[in-house]
Amino acid sequence: DTGVSQDPRHKITKRGQNVTFRCDPISEHNRLYWYRQTLGQGPEFLTYFQNEAQLEKSRLLSDRFSAERPKGSFSTLEIQRTEQGDSAMYLCASSGDGRANEKLFFGSGTQLSVL
Amino acid sequence: SQQGEEDPQALSIQEGENATMNCSYKTSINNLQWYRQNSGRGLVHLILIRSNEREKHSGRLRVTLDTSKKSSSLLITASRAADTASYFCYNNNDMRFGAGTRLTVKP
Repeated sequence: DTGVSQDPRHKITKRGQNVTFRCDPISEHNRLYWYRQTLGQGPEFLTYFQNEAQLEKSRLLSDRFSAERPKGSFSTLEIQRTEQGDSAMYLCASSGDGRANEKLFFGSGTQLSVL
Repeated sequence: SQQGEEDPQALSIQEGENATMNCSYKTSINNLQWYRQNSGRGLVHLILIRSNEREKHSGRLRVTLDTSKKSSSLLITASRAADTASYFCYNNNDMRFGAGTRLTVKP
């Protein structure tokens, strides 16, 4: 168990560029979550996968955001045509099934800066 | 979208004092969880309380739940400087976090 890993740790991009982040969850976890967090705020829900199925997506998420989990293992989050308002920490978390596995395990996040 | 609100937004205390943080949530819960976040890092799970429980303890942590008021509180006893962090409540039913309480414990 190596924990949840996210790559890259930091990303600086220019407005209008596309960016992609990767999350590798804990291997036996079938649930995967993406959150966005800005300074001084709580994590904001973006989307949730159970295995490869994307079961919920925030209505606040614009069409520029897309997430995939093609084989039910790692996940990618892509932001197209980035805007300065996309600057934030993007957090990934995973959890297992059942009452004994309800707590979330978080990665260290990807800090995005859009110039 | 965010969950409910944490209260207070910021709390500053001396080492050895107790810290109490409150959370209100909007939708029903299966369980409510509390997480801690050190500056610039990922969140770490602290404690989980189920909807049919009223109080739970873990070390220096005590969490209470009042489902009639849709609220929970987290008490940290005998605080230490290392407890300085932000604390968030989490509703696992709708997967939303609260806005958090920033706790500063002065040595």
